[in-house]
Amino acid sequence: AQKITQTQPGMFVQEKEAVTLDCTYDTSDPSYGLFWYKQPSSGEMIFLIYQGSYDQQNATEGRYSLNFQKARKSANLVISASQLGDSAMYFCAMREDYNFNKFYFGSGTKLNVKP
Amino acid sequence: DTAVSQTPKYLVTQMGNDKSIKCEQNLGHDTMYWYKQDSKKFLKIMFSYNNKELIINETVPNRFSPKSPDKAHLNLHINSLELGDSAVYFCASSQAQVGEQFFGPGTRLTVL
Repeated sequence: AQKITQTQPGMFVQEKEAVTLDCTYDTSDPSYGLFWYKQPSSGEMIFLIYQGSYDQQNATEGRYSLNFQKARKSANLVISASQLGDSAMYFCAMREDYNFNKFYFGSGTKLNVKP
Repeated sequence: DTAVSQTPKYLVTQMGNDKSIKCEQNLGHDTMYWYKQDSKKFLKIMFSYNNKELIINETVPNRFSPKSPDKAHLNLHINSLELGDSAVYFCASSQAQVGEQFFGPGTRLTVL
């Protein structure tokens, strides 16, 4: 089974609107971490936000927030007030604490922000 | 100061050649990784080293050989390059059990 599933290969959003990028995960480890990365067309991988499995509150970092629904095993990224510079690939990733050296990545979602 | 650096950024070579990519991190992290990103942008882990010890070796042809001279460096040597090796190779590092991975800028390898 896939450890990380991103079902939206591509998304469009209007500038200044909010957008949600979906991510579901599969693990039987009670302790794990979830991550989102951004990869613009220039190619570098930029860390955006982290959520620990025991964190009670949803993580937020500026315009990024992570909608963590543990029972549903989902960790959706919400970008508020989209900007043209948000156009990029977005990857969801997970690390399980019992095998903490390994990160699992999803297949990515390509976000296009329209002016 | 660059946290994770890779050289070279671009590598164009002929099939059958041997090439190396170097990676260095100045974050003091314990663990370093190599990933391959194909043309569909899928990121596949290849190797992981923790304190110079090989921890993860995914199903990678043995033409690929990582070497970690110390915990700040993880190099990737590729023998007998094939067309299918064309991809972007990312080095990354993390602190064991804590925090995110930091990625290098990537090396775009093109095999002709």
